[in-house]
Amino acid sequence: EVQLVESGGGLVQPRTSLRLSCATYGFNFDDYAMTWVRQAPGKGLEWVSSISGNGGNSGSTHYADSVKGRFTISRDDVKKKLFLQMNRLRAEDTAVYFCAKSPGYSSTYFDSWGQGTLVTVSS
Amino acid sequence: IQMTQSPSSVSASVGDKVTITCRASQDITSSLAWFQQKPGKAPKSLIFAASSLETGVPSRFSGSGSGTDFTLTISSLQPEDFATFFCQQYDSFPFTFGPGTRVDMK
Repeated sequence: EVQLVESGGGLVQPRTSLRLSCATYGFNFDDYAMTWVRQAPGKGLEWVSSISGNGGNSGSTHYADSVKGRFTISRDDVKKKLFLQMNRLRAEDTAVYFCAKSPGYSSTYFDSWGQGTLVTVSS
Repeated sequence: IQMTQSPSSVSASVGDKVTITCRASQDITSSLAWFQQKPGKAPKSLIFAASSLETGVPSRFSGSGSGTDFTLTISSLQPEDFATFFCQQYDSFPFTFGPGTRVDMK
């Protein structure tokens, strides 16, 4: 059974950093593209960043304009973990952050999701 | 690519047929997915490639459309279906979601 478990969220001050992790179970992690999606309180879903899996442009990354230059997505295929390094955090980054898996090595839609981790940016 | 959904909310009863529309600002061929989200929970994949049902999703859910106009239909609403539904395009980066359609009890 596929499981995605996010961690690393919390309350942080503006302009500081935070690193989110997503531990994965039940599938061959390095073969699949992975993505971070966020949801501000009471709002809709916002795609944040994706990283491809093995095959094709392995490890290629993409970012939303709202986080480009501040956030970095990465993966550790040995530990089967996905990461999101978030720097220079802003109040508008406050959201639940979900990690999600695509059904193949290229980023497409998301067939499995974690339960999310809450990031609150406030002074 | 901008995604819009209509209606933003709908009130319905168990057994009703519910139709939700999603429109893309440009041609996305069939690169569209639908998700269901209940309060405090992660989204759940329902449909991919505009009309393909995810494994385990009840057959009362169906999707149609291509290009710019898409539809999610619930043929006979069940108590567990009350939730918010989002569409998502994956034709090109940045991926984008529709604003959501809330289905609540009449």
